[in-house]
Formats: sequence, C-alpha cells, structure tokens
Amino acid sequence: QQQVKQSPQSLIVQKGGIPIINCAYENTAFDYFPWYQQFPGKGPALLIAIRPDVSEKKEGRFTISFNKSAKQFSLHIMDSQPGDSATYFCAASTKAANFGNEKLTFGTGTRLTIIP
Amino acid sequence: EAQVTQNPRYLITVTGKKLTVTCSQNMNHEYMSWYRQDPGLGLRQIYYSMNVEVTDKGDVPEGYKVSRKEKRNFPLILESPSPNQTSLYFCASQRAGRGYEQYFGPGTRLTVT
Repeated sequence: QQQVKQSPQSLIVQKGGIPIINCAYENTAFDYFPWYQQFPGKGPALLIAIRPDVSEKKEGRFTISFNKSAKQFSLHIMDSQPGDSATYFCAASTKAANFGNEKLTFGTGTRLTIIP
Repeated sequence: EAQVTQNPRYLITVTGKKLTVTCSQNMNHEYMSWYRQDPGLGLRQIYYSMNVEVTDKGDVPEGYKVSRKEKRNFPLILESPSPNQTSLYFCASQRAGRGYEQYFGPGTRLTVT
C-alpha cells in the first residue's frame, strides 16, 4: 500500500509562477519529511526537509508547508525558473529504533515543467 | 568529491542470466540501500544494509540479493533476472540517524528481455 500520496502527477507552470506540489501521509511514526529533486539521467538529490514539529521551512526559493493535524505537506517554488524543471518526490523517513531500517518512503513523483 | 557510483549505467540482458550491479560510496556512510524506480510507483526500497555484514529486506526484495563485505561497497545481485525486473535502479548511502538525507548514485537502467 502507498503510505505517501503525492499530487499532481505532472504540472506545467509559466516562468515566475508558483508551482505547488502536495503530499499526504498516514503513518504518524514518520519523523522527517524531505523533498527530493531529480533531473533526467540523474539520481534524486535532497532539496529541503522539515520536521513534524515545524509548520514551515524556507530555503531560497523553496518552501515546505507542513500541517501535522491534516497529515499533509507541500512544496512551493517561488519565482520558478526553467532550470527548476525536474521531477520532484516527497518522502517520509522512519526513525529506526535499535539500529534498524532508516528508510525513505517516497511519493509517486511530480514532473514539473516551467515554460519561459 | 563525495559521491555514490554505480556500474554499469545501462544493461540489457536476457531472462535467467545472472548479473551484478556494483555500488560504491566514498563518504564512510554506515547505511546503504538499493531502490528501484518505476513510473507511477516512485522509488521503492529493495534491500538495505546498516553496516558491514548486516543486511535486511526492504519493501520489494523478491528476486534480489545483496552483500556488504566492505563498508564502501554494496552490490546488487539478480541471480535469475525476469522481465518484471526491468527498471531503473538506484543505490543510496546515508549516515546513521539521518535517514531523510540519502545520497543517491546516478542510476542503472536495466532491461530484461
């Protein structure tokens, strides 16, 4: 079963617009919520991450909004540029007890295209 | 340069022919994982390793094997590949306690005919 649901599947935004990608989760044991950015032919790379006790985190033009009660979080990209065109994955990490699995559970990905 | 490397980057093989995909990291990370990426499914963990000689199954381990004889290396073995293992594979590494911050290799695109 999918534990992190991501939408939309694809998104086209004009340069300067603010694309928003949404994710929802069920498992309250998740301890960190990162976003990964993946360019064609490359592996995913960590973009920004938030802890569940924080409602918002900004890094440059990228902002995560987190709603713990609704079990939802989203990525906003301010002043989007064509170079931001990539696939974005939300994820949730599981804190390991006693040196166990610290895996990431990924959403299904959003292919973002920023048109000039 | 801190990195995770994988080889080969592209591989076409036939059903049943054993293959190995290598993975190496130079960051002295304790944890390493293998993921497969499929359209509409995101990335799913196949196996992970917490340290040398310590490995365990992820979410989709069937048909795969791994080993961790050295801290830097974590090869993925398909002993009898089948067409449903056609996918894009990623190796990743991380420090213990920082599961949200994983470093991914460039990927291996495998086609099994």
